[in-house]
Amino acid sequence: SQQGEEDPQALSIQEGENATMNCSYKTSINNLQWYRQNSGRGLVHLILIRSNEREKHSGRLRVTLDTSKKSSSLLITASRAADTASYFCATDAREDAGNMLTFGGGTRLMVKP
Amino acid sequence: GAGVSQSPSNKVTEKGKDVELRCDPISGHTALYWYRQRLGQGLEFLIYFQGNSAPDKSGLPSDRFSAERTGESVSTLTIQRTQQEDSAVYLCASSLITGGGWVEQFFGPGTRLTVL
Repeated sequence: SQQGEEDPQALSIQEGENATMNCSYKTSINNLQWYRQNSGRGLVHLILIRSNEREKHSGRLRVTLDTSKKSSSLLITASRAADTASYFCATDAREDAGNMLTFGGGTRLMVKP
Repeated sequence: GAGVSQSPSNKVTEKGKDVELRCDPISGHTALYWYRQRLGQGLEFLIYFQGNSAPDKSGLPSDRFSAERTGESVSTLTIQRTQQEDSAVYLCASSLITGGGWVEQFFGPGTRLTVL
């Protein structure tokens, strides 16, 4: 079953604009991760934020985490056409199950040139 | 360096047939994961291996699904008597260690299974 829910399900913006995607989850977590997927195939890890962190940056990416609200957001600044992809949040909650990830439904981002 | 590879990349089969999906993890990665992704949805965890053992098989959707791993390397996911609802992309990932903190999972390109 999917723990996370993401909104919006789809987002269309112009190149240069910022894109914000949100993720909510249900249980306590060890960390939350964001992945990118092109064309419905392999996933690429973008960024991880631990449960004791509130904000993290990586290049044009900014992730926030609010454990009291069980939510996270991914901000992509100065978007480019090449950022067009699906973005998924994934939570790592079970210490006894390797690093089993529970994924949200994803946000499909389209960046128009 | 070589990443995670999966074969076949695409598989079309008839309802009721058995299929085998293969995953070759990154060499030396002790953990291996199988996920299923239905069209337009997120990933659904199926099973993971720690070495050649699968401590948790609860994610497998039914007893038609099974998986094995040998030599702490290649893994096969077998679906018996396929149904149309099995149509999805099956993704494999591997990581260096399990538990005790986060390690990155590296994903393969997936196998797109279509059951007619």
